[in-house]
Amino acid sequence: DAKTTQPNSMESNEEEPVHLPCNHSTISGTDYIHWYRQLPSQGPEYVIHGLTSNVNNRMASLAIAEDRKSSTLILHRATLRDAAVYYCIPMEYGNKLVFGAGTILRVKS
Amino acid sequence: ETGVTQSPTHLIKTRGQQVTLRCSSQSGHNTVSWYQQALGQGPQFIFQYYREEENGRGNFPPRFSGLQFPNYSSELNVNALELDDSALYLCASSLNGLGYMNTEAFFGQGTRLTVV
Repeated sequence: DAKTTQPNSMESNEEEPVHLPCNHSTISGTDYIHWYRQLPSQGPEYVIHGLTSNVNNRMASLAIAEDRKSSTLILHRATLRDAAVYYCIPMEYGNKLVFGAGTILRVKS
Repeated sequence: ETGVTQSPTHLIKTRGQQVTLRCSSQSGHNTVSWYQQALGQGPQFIFQYYREEENGRGNFPPRFSGLQFPNYSSELNVNALELDDSALYLCASSLNGLGYMNTEAFFGQGTRLTVV
């Protein structure tokens, strides 16, 4: 399993952009990079995933470094509802999600 | 399209007992995975079922077992419960198992198991 490094916690102000970094230097060439988040008292929720190029969806953007050893999840305007634990997960063959400790995102109003 | 539902939501069992947790996958999804999440930690992969066959297992002892039914719903069984089995048990469904990394998993709300 590819190892990931994420900050333990980050803090943001409401309505401001948030950049959540993840290092995954041991990622293989075919691993997709997935991001999930887990709101308090809920199961994890899919956010976004990508392979090589940057990706956008209604929830967030994913910026992937050219060497694929790191990626950044971008929330364009943080809301209180975005307060959660964010997990960066290189997805290997077999469709198994390997969760690390993630980043606790706190959003201040 | 219904989401992933798990039952029961909460459960208290005594050490040594057996427990069965249930999961209904999202409509059309043929793959179900089970995870254990201890307090303050990320979910840990237990095993995955694809079209009624186990096709991946994490570092959990054999007393953790499962089933997937023809309608793709699933059960997680834990025998000889230990105090450390107290955790949130999460079920996730997705479309296609082995080799499909370009897909997303949908999680249920989980079953909170307390072993006393």
